[in-house]
Amino acid sequence: KNQVEQSPQSLIILEGKNCTLQCNYTVSPFSNLRWYKQDTGRGPVSLTIMTFSENTKSNGRYTATLDADTKQSSLHITASQLSDSASYICVVRDNNAGNMLTFGGGTRLMVKP
Amino acid sequence: GAGVSQTPSNKVTEKGKYVELRCDPISGHTALYWYRQSLGQGPEFLIYFQGTGAADDSGLPNDRFFAVRPEGSVSTLKIQRTERGDSAVYLCASSSQPGSEAFFGQGTRLTVV
Repeated sequence: KNQVEQSPQSLIILEGKNCTLQCNYTVSPFSNLRWYKQDTGRGPVSLTIMTFSENTKSNGRYTATLDADTKQSSLHITASQLSDSASYICVVRDNNAGNMLTFGGGTRLMVKP
Repeated sequence: GAGVSQTPSNKVTEKGKYVELRCDPISGHTALYWYRQSLGQGPEFLIYFQGTGAADDSGLPNDRFFAVRPEGSVSTLKIQRTERGDSAVYLCASSSQPGSEAFFGQGTRLTVV
C-alpha cells in the first residue's frame, strides 16, 4: 500500500474557479511534506514545504494545510489560471530511511477556459 | 551548473540492450536521488546517494539495475538486458544535504522497443 495517497486522481475545472487537492500519508516518523507541481515533460518543482509544527502556508495563489494528527494535507488553488494545468504531487520525507522522499501518485489538474 | 542536468533527454533502445543514463547534479549538492515515473503515475524511488555511497538502494527493482556516483558528483544509472517494462521517465534530483529541498532534472524518457 502506498504510504502517500492523493485524491482526486484527476480534476477538470474552469478558469477562475478554486479547487482543493487532498493528500493522506502514513509515513512515520515524518520530517516534512512538500507539494510539487509537475508540468508535462518536465521534472517536479517545489511549491511549498511544511514541517509537523506548521498548519498552513501560502505561496501566491497556492495555500497548503497540514494536520499532523490526522496525517492529512491539502493544497488549495485560488482563482485558477490555464497555466495551473499540471500534475500536483504530495511528497513526504521520511525521517528515517536515509531521508528518502515518498511520492504520492499525483492529481492531474486541467484548467479549461 | 544552474540546475540538475540529465542526458540524454530521450533514449530508444531495443529489448535486451544495455543503457546508461547520466545525471549532473547541482554543484556542491551531496545528496542525489534517482526516481522512475511511469505514464500517469507519481515518481517511484530507486536509489539515494549521500556523497559517493548508496545510502539506500532498496528501490532498485532487480539486479539488472545499478547506479554509481564514483566522485560524489555525476551519477550514472545503468540498466542491463532492458525489457519493455523498463520504459518510463527516469528522474534525477539533488539536494544540498539530507532534509533540504530536492531539485529535479527534466528526466530521461527511456523507450524499450
